[in-house]
Amino acid sequence: GQQLNQSPQSMFIQEGEDVSMNCTSSSIFNTWLWYKQDPGEGPVLLIALYKAGELTSNGRLTAQFGITRKDSFLNISASIPSDVGIYFCAGDTSGTYKYIFGTGTRLKVLA
Amino acid sequence: ETGVTQSPTHLIKTRGQQVTLRCSSQSGHNTVSWYQQALGQGPQFIFQYYREEENGRGNFPPRFSGLQFPNYSSELNVNALELDDSALYLCASSKDSFSAETQYFGPGTRLLVL
Repeated sequence: GQQLNQSPQSMFIQEGEDVSMNCTSSSIFNTWLWYKQDPGEGPVLLIALYKAGELTSNGRLTAQFGITRKDSFLNISASIPSDVGIYFCAGDTSGTYKYIFGTGTRLKVLA
Repeated sequence: ETGVTQSPTHLIKTRGQQVTLRCSSQSGHNTVSWYQQALGQGPQFIFQYYREEENGRGNFPPRFSGLQFPNYSSELNVNALELDDSALYLCASSKDSFSAETQYFGPGTRLLVL
C-alpha cells in the first residue's frame, strides 16, 4: 500500500537538543497529522494541520503544513528522554479519513 | 489510557485459518477504523465503520471483513490467513468519521501466522 516518505528513518540525539523531521508525498494532501507511538501502544495524535502554510504548536512540538501541500515538518525543541519513540506522519488526500501513514522516524534520546 | 481496548493482545494462527479480532470503542464514539501495521512500518488503513455500516475501505482483499455492533464495539475478521497477514492490528474509535482529533487508537492485537 501507499506510504509517505519520512526522514530521517532514525536518529540519536542528546537530551536538550532540538529535533527536526519531515514527511513528503507525491500527492497533494488536505490534512497532515503527526503521531507518536510507544512500544506496545497505539499511535497518539500530537498535532493536526488543515491548511497549507499552517504552523501549529503543542508544547515543545511544532509542526507545519508545507506550502506545496506535499510535505510537512515536525520540530521538537529541548528534547527529553520521554521523547523516545516512533513518530509517524499521516495524511488525507480527499477528506475521506483514509489516512495514509508514513514509514516512521525512530527517535532515541541520550541522557 | 485511551479508553479503546482490543482483544486478544497476542495470538498465533496457522496459514489457512480464520481469525476474529475485537475492539471496544471509547464511550460515545460511533466510528471505528481498523489498521494493519507490519513490523517496522506505519499503519495501513483497512476499513472504517460508521454507525454499523462500512464507510470506506483501503486496498485489502475481501477476506478482510468487519462488523460494528449497536454498542459500537467492532470485530475484524480475516479468512484464509496468509503468512503476510502477520502484523499488529490496530483499531481506532472516533466521535465521527472525519475527526482526527477525537480518534483514539487501541494498543493493538499482534497476530503471528505460521
